[in-house]
Order: sequence, then C-alpha cells, then structure tokens
Amino acid sequence: KNQVEQSPQSLIILEGKNCTLQCNYTVSPFSNLRWYKQDTGRGPVSLTIMTFSENTKSNGRYTATLDADTKQSSLHITASQLSDSASYICVVGSGAGSYQLTFGKGTKLSVIP
Amino acid sequence: GAGVSQSPSNKVTEKGKDVELRCDPISGHTALYWYRQSLGQGLEFLIYFQGNSAPDKSGLPSDRFSAERTGGSVSTLTIQRTQQEDSAVYLCASSDRARETQYFGPGTRLLVL
Repeated sequence: KNQVEQSPQSLIILEGKNCTLQCNYTVSPFSNLRWYKQDTGRGPVSLTIMTFSENTKSNGRYTATLDADTKQSSLHITASQLSDSASYICVVGSGAGSYQLTFGKGTKLSVIP
Repeated sequence: GAGVSQSPSNKVTEKGKDVELRCDPISGHTALYWYRQSLGQGLEFLIYFQGNSAPDKSGLPSDRFSAERTGGSVSTLTIQRTQQEDSAVYLCASSDRARETQYFGPGTRLLVL
C-alpha cells in the first residue's frame, strides 16, 4: 500500500529560526514529490515539485530535498516568519498517470514571536 | 487571475439528505480533481477529470458519491443519503495537465448531523 509518513506531527519554533520537516514514503512506482502549504481553513498551495532526477529545489525561503534511493524528502524553512505557521503536506505522485497522489497527514508548524 | 472557487463554503445537512458541492476550476485547466480531507487525516483522492476522457472514479468511497463535469469546466460532486461519516472538507483542484501543479480551492466544509 502506498504510504507517506511525515514527522514531526507538530512543531513550534521561534520567529527567525530555521526548521526541517521530514517525509518518508513507500510509493511505487515513483513519479514526483510535492510539498504543499495549507493555511488553516484554506486549500493547499504548492511549494515545490521534484521528479526522480532532482534532489533539491528551492522556492524563496523554502528548500526541498529528495533522496529517491532512501525514499526520503525534507523541507527546510529558513529564517521563519509568523506567516509560515501552517500545515506542510508531503505528497507523492505515482504511476504513469501521476495525478495519482498519496498525501501525508502533514506537519503542523507554529511560528511564535 | 481568478483561482479555483468552491461553493458553498460551509454546508450543514441532516443525515439522509442529498448535497451538491460545486467547483469552478481555473479557466483553461483541463484537469480537475476532487479530494476529501477528514479531521486529522491526509487528503483522500475521490475523482479525476481530464478533458473529454472518462473520469477516474476509483477513489469514490461508495455509490452514494457521484460527480460530473459539464462542458469541461464546472464540476459538481453529489453525495446522496448523507451519513455522519461523510462530514469532512471537500477540496477541488485543477491543473493545466495531469503532471502539473494542482491549484486548490478553499474547500467546502460539510457537516452531517
């Protein structure tokens, strides 16, 4: 069964600090890995998409890494801001029709002043 | 430009009633997806539309759930004879093509009493 596991489940950090969120997956065949940010009461918003051949991708203060051998990904947030408070969801696409996505349950990040 | 919109934003209904949820995708997007997000759970794929192709209904949890997409644009998700376990946030997303970034709407929060 395809699964995406994220850790930690929740995290509280001080404004300005860095943090790293983890994602492990058992999805086959692998097509792509995406990170989404979901604010409370809103739909998810895409941060990054990585294919098998990419091992890092940045979007502003967000940097995602992918190790397809160990089936692990991380999302690093630099110099956190209060507006980074949200759930961060790791999503893995599989199969030839890579609309077939498996979602993690997300990491709830709270940035406090 | 306008993003994905969904209506209603909130819906409270009695067990056994039928409900219709609407999704207006981003203009020109050929792919449309419906997901369900239950409290504390990851997003669950329901159905996928791509152009004029037959939809992928493999994620629909029961025959009480159906969806249609008229004219390749607006989509309606219908839940018949609602049950309390149907209570969730129903998210719609659209993308330019199956492998591209999915843009999510704000969701419809359904509560079945």
